[in-house]
Amino acid sequence: AQSVAQPEDQVNVAEGNPLTVKCTYSVSGNPYLFWYVQYPNRGLQFLLKYITGDNLVKGSYGFEAEFNKSQTSFHLKKPSALVSDSALYFCAVRDISGNTPLVFGKGTRLSVIA
Amino acid sequence: DARVTQTPRDKVTEMGQEVTMRCQPILGHNTVFWYRQTMMQGLELLAYFRNRAPLDDSGMPKDRFSAEMPDATLATLKIQPSEPRDSAVYFCASGLQLTGARGNEQFFGPGTRLTVL
Repeated sequence: AQSVAQPEDQVNVAEGNPLTVKCTYSVSGNPYLFWYVQYPNRGLQFLLKYITGDNLVKGSYGFEAEFNKSQTSFHLKKPSALVSDSALYFCAVRDISGNTPLVFGKGTRLSVIA
Repeated sequence: DARVTQTPRDKVTEMGQEVTMRCQPILGHNTVFWYRQTMMQGLELLAYFRNRAPLDDSGMPKDRFSAEMPDATLATLKIQPSEPRDSAVYFCASGLQLTGARGNEQFFGPGTRLTVL
């Protein structure tokens, strides 16, 4: 079975500081990993994904994520947070050997304070 | 700019009434998903289709919920009768999932906010 854990319900960071939103996953084989962002009253928007290759993946709005197989993690990062980054962030996983939908974490609410 | 569309965006109804939510997936996508989002449960997968065939609807209360894809451009989620506990935001998502290309992302619609009084 596939699962995703986002251990923090809420992350607060000052504008201009680096941010990290944590995600760990569990799959039986190799994973496809995704990050989505949800702004208020909007649907989820795709940010970035890891399929294969370089463990550091760069995505939209200056976000990046690092795939760490040994720690089964895929943390989302940004070097300098903006107030406009405040939103709900979801990590998701799919086993590459399966034929199943993405499994989403419960989400982490990021608040960037000016 | 291709996107998933959903109607209505907001729906307020009374308990016992039928509710139908509609979704137009992105043209060319072969997989459609229905999710429900609440504060308590987060994002729950209700059902999904591939090439218009239902693959899994185990997340759906069978006695009152039904999901269909009458054609490739329309997916519907129906609740009959509706109950206050069905109040949530319902999202449709679509994607292109092919053998050997399962890394494609899902694209979400803006959601239907349902309030059952």
